[in-house]
Amino acid sequence: EVQLVESGGGLVQPGGSLRLSCAASGFSFRDSWMHWVRQAPGKGLEWVSRMRGDGGRMHYADSVKGRFTISRDNARNTLYLTMNSLRAEDTAVYYCAKDHYGFNSLDYWGQGTLVTVSS
Amino acid sequence: DVVMTQSPLSLPVTLGQPASISCTCSQSLLHSDGNTYLNWFQQRPGQSPRRLIYKVSTRDSGVPDRFSGSGSGTDFTLKISRVEAEDIGVYYCMQGTHWPWAFGPGTRVEIK
Repeated sequence: EVQLVESGGGLVQPGGSLRLSCAASGFSFRDSWMHWVRQAPGKGLEWVSRMRGDGGRMHYADSVKGRFTISRDNARNTLYLTMNSLRAEDTAVYYCAKDHYGFNSLDYWGQGTLVTVSS
Repeated sequence: DVVMTQSPLSLPVTLGQPASISCTCSQSLLHSDGNTYLNWFQQRPGQSPRRLIYKVSTRDSGVPDRFSGSGSGTDFTLKISRVEAEDIGVYYCMQGTHWPWAFGPGTRVEIK
């Protein structure tokens, strides 16, 4: 059974930093592209970032480029999102999601972790 | 970037009756590989998104057959043949043809 469990969310001041983690199990993590998608309170879904299984390629939404860094540890089956220079508009539930390779889709999602940026 | 729109944004439904959600894209979703990468996700209250349909019309395992997807090019539709109480939530379309992938704004399905 595929499981994705996010952690690391919390309250942070504007300009601060936070690192989110996503522990994966039930599939070949090292062979899978992985994504971060966020959802501001009461709003829709926004794709944030993705990384190839070997960590060799990554992409970012323009809204986070230069501030967020995606990374992974395949030995620990864990995906990370390091968020710097956080802004109020980054407040959201952050989901990690597994790429459905070859189908340009996201087939499994975690339960999400809430990040609140506020003074 | 591709812009996704959905209509309606709010859909009051009667249990047992059909429902339909439209998704329109600013560019054709026909990929150069011949496939069309249009997905539908359901988000029940307080839950994570769950994929229902990928590649326009392929249902995920465990998704009831009352859900169906159709469309081509820039216009797509999600239909629920007979709405049940567990179908209440927000439905999102998402395109995977053009980078960056993009979601529609969501359609909230609620009981009339």
